[in-house]
Amino acid sequence: DTAVSQTPKYLVTQMGNDKSIKCEQNLGHDTMYWYKQDSKKFLKIMFSYNNKELIINETVPNRFSPKSPDKAHLNLHINSLELGDSAVYFCASSQDKGRAPYNEQFFGPGTRLTVL
Amino acid sequence: QKEVEQNSGPLSVPEGAIASLNCTYSDRGSQSFFWYRQYSGKSPELIMSIYSNGDKEDGRFTAQLNKASQYVSLLIRDSQPSDSATYLCAVKFLSGNTGKLIFGQGTTLQVKP
Repeated sequence: DTAVSQTPKYLVTQMGNDKSIKCEQNLGHDTMYWYKQDSKKFLKIMFSYNNKELIINETVPNRFSPKSPDKAHLNLHINSLELGDSAVYFCASSQDKGRAPYNEQFFGPGTRLTVL
Repeated sequence: QKEVEQNSGPLSVPEGAIASLNCTYSDRGSQSFFWYRQYSGKSPELIMSIYSNGDKEDGRFTAQLNKASQYVSLLIRDSQPSDSATYLCAVKFLSGNTGKLIFGQGTTLQVKP
């Protein structure tokens, strides 16, 4: 059974388009995250939701808008895509808000976004 | 600025040797430390977590934590070619009532047969 899944796996699009990535987890976790991994493999947190509430919002352009319809789903919508948005986007989930020391995060397979 | 630093490598070791991966972090108050392995084109996979000073062993992997020196390391004994991957160090930083993982840039390990 897939624990954290994302769709699509690959996304190729033109500059200026709007696109969405979807994430679902069946682990029963309360918290979900979006990370961006750039071409140098640097993995950086973007957003986090706990039970549909936004709890982490890093310095991310407001063209990026996350949405969590329920605690098992977290989507990422990106408006007016730019070349610099090309990266791999990972969804992750964890049991709680992350303050507990033993909070471990589990990652989805990633979505490779290429903006032409 | 919360920072986690790793040597990006590549670190090359012969098969059967011990690979030593190192990580330093900036926040003295950090309590939780994680090592993730990432194969090329795949997602990060948690392989070790450590919360107390000292060593924690799991099979061929040993995580070492020294909070006074703000240093965490991962030792891989009897390295195998299948261990060739990028190893990401992650440190949990607390912010308000939440915590977030800050990742280092990763160390690429190459195990040569």
